Amino acid sequence: DSGVTQTPKHLITATGQRVTLRCSPRSGDLSVYWYQQSLDQGLQFLIQYYNGEERAKGNILERFSAQQFPDLHSELNLSSLELGDSALYFCASSSRLAGLGYGYTFGSGTRLTVV
Amino acid sequence: ELKVEQNPLFLSMQEGKNYTIYCNYSTTSDRLYWYRQDPGKSLESLFVLLSNGAVKQEGRLMASLDTKARLSTLHITAAVHDLSATYFCAVEPPFGNEKLTFGTGTRLTIIP
Repeated sequence: DSGVTQTPKHLITATGQRVTLRCSPRSGDLSVYWYQQSLDQGLQFLIQYYNGEERAKGNILERFSAQQFPDLHSELNLSSLELGDSALYFCASSSRLAGLGYGYTFGSGTRLTVV
Repeated sequence: ELKVEQNPLFLSMQEGKNYTIYCNYSTTSDRLYWYRQDPGKSLESLFVLLSNGAVKQEGRLMASLDTKARLSTLHITAAVHDLSATYFCAVEPPFGNEKLTFGTGTRLTIIP
């Protein structure tokens, strides 16, 4: 267990629907990052939150949105889903540890299948 | 904009052989990370390299960092099947935002 919790682990939904993916960061970590990984593809950075505020934005579609709540958990909302949105969605968290740099701890991911 | 390139993208090698994966990056940084991902699984941290000349070893894997050349290598010694996975390097920018930039990944397949 990495300490980063993602739910659900699997999600199957129809095109046009909306889903919410949830992430609880490792205890003490203030930053949350969302990544999308399509089949046999690399990691596409979507968005970063730090202590409740959006800090960086990547290639996130307008149909997607995210937020980080006061308890530091984060949700990624995907709407008007298309077949091409089928992917693994990872959440990662980070903290500054003296002498160790930031680094990320990844959650186990949510596998989204759009049918 | 920080760019990170890995090569090769795909590597198929026989058990018992040695090989090296390369990670080049475009701007100054002295913090680099290596991750391993098994198919359909999450990314697991392998090495954290925090300074020029840093070398870390774990079993048959050894990672090094040359910040002047903007190059990190992941060397595999006497490969075994269990090392089959995708390996990612990630670079931390030198200032400000701690967002890592990931390489494209190297899919390593060890053939018995």
